Amino acid sequence: AQTVTQSQPEMSVQEAETVTLSCTYDTSESDYYLFWYKQPPSRQMILVIRQEAYKQQNATENRFSVNFQKAAKSFSLKISDSQLGDAAMYFCAYRSVNNNDMRFGAGTRLTVKP
Amino acid sequence: DAGVIQSPRHEVTEMGQEVTLRCKPISGHDYLFWYRQTMMRGLELLIYFNNNVPIDDSGMPEDRFSAKMPNASFSTLKIQPSEPRDSAVYFCASSLTGRSGYTFGSGTRLTVV
Repeated sequence: AQTVTQSQPEMSVQEAETVTLSCTYDTSESDYYLFWYKQPPSRQMILVIRQEAYKQQNATENRFSVNFQKAAKSFSLKISDSQLGDAAMYFCAYRSVNNNDMRFGAGTRLTVKP
Repeated sequence: DAGVIQSPRHEVTEMGQEVTLRCKPISGHDYLFWYRQTMMRGLELLIYFNNNVPIDDSGMPEDRFSAKMPNASFSTLKIQPSEPRDSAVYFCASSLTGRSGYTFGSGTRLTVV
């Protein structure tokens, strides 16, 4: 079964600075999808960004971008110009194209300091 | 679209009681998922449906848990009898086939006392 590992339980960043959250995964599949979700204190799970494994180009969504290294099975999230509203739990997730379910990492709690 | 709608938002019940959590997926989505979130175990997939048919229920913790999807617009997760260790946030999510991400509901926080 696929596993997703987030090795940083907590991270902090100064407002307006850049922070990178790490994620690695284990799979034997060649085609799959990767996601980053944000969970603020409201507990709503919000999709931040997604990456298709067959695409080499890294996905970007405004201040959020990923560094996808397929061979290394690494999928990090970079948040630029951090804002107070970015403070949340961030979950990395893997979705198989074979069985369509999604596996989540344990999460990284991001604190943004004013 | 109103998104994925879950009810109730909070539920407090006594041990031994039956609890039913409800979910309305996004119209047109053919997959529906139930997750449980706890501090100790994170987000766990309990069961998922495709076109109203249960595909994988290997995550359902035990026979006290059951889930149904009688039609494309409604699903329930039932716990009978409930126990204190069932206390958690339960999320429902829906998606289209394949490459899309999930859309989550706002979750139900269940407390069993």
